[in-house]
Amino acid sequence: NAGVTQTPKFQVLKTGQSMTLQCAQDMNHNSMYWYRQDPGMGLRLIYYSASEGTTDKGEVPNGYNVSRLNKREFSLRLESAAPSQTSVYFCASSESALGVLTFGAGSRLTVL
Amino acid sequence: GENVEQHPSTLSVQEGDSAVIKCTYSDSASNYFPWYKQELGKRPQLIIDIRSNVGEKKDQRIAVTLNKTAKHFSLHITETQPEDSAVYFCAASKGANNLFFGTGTRLTVIP
Repeated sequence: NAGVTQTPKFQVLKTGQSMTLQCAQDMNHNSMYWYRQDPGMGLRLIYYSASEGTTDKGEVPNGYNVSRLNKREFSLRLESAAPSQTSVYFCASSESALGVLTFGAGSRLTVL
Repeated sequence: GENVEQHPSTLSVQEGDSAVIKCTYSDSASNYFPWYKQELGKRPQLIIDIRSNVGEKKDQRIAVTLNKTAKHFSLHITETQPEDSAVYFCAASKGANNLFFGTGTRLTVIP
């Protein structure tokens, strides 16, 4: 039982490049989330998907897009990376809207 | 949206002492308050949570209290151990998948 798996673990991009962070969960959870973690800022919600086929904006969605590919997978895309998007990104899932979040191991992204 | 403030940002205690971390929230409709622990370089993990119909919850050395009138909640760790050293995050939610986190407290337990 792997829980929540996200790739890649590390990535360095140049300003303007694009990339997609992949996330998959094997717990049959309905809800999936993308957070970013910055020093002194805690965890901020970028986008979430309450169920397969739906996605909604969180606290800091600008510059990102998401796709809920199926119940297991939820990807985060940066179309044109900016230095302000340098952060650690965490994918998470939960069984329901008020359920316990299970986090992935994180992806450290640096934009030069 | 919800605004969660967390204090202190850093906390050092001697092993065996108690640690208290406090959070306030702004949205009176929030009804779910979890606490997550994040060890260095690791993912956040839930350690305890409380819902608005309960004023206090305990799990061994960890307890959380909630004051809905004052809109604040606290994490209490008793008999601290070195393995309690980590960053702790409080959070608040009123459902709809939107959990707002505090900025974290770095707890250091000194042996």
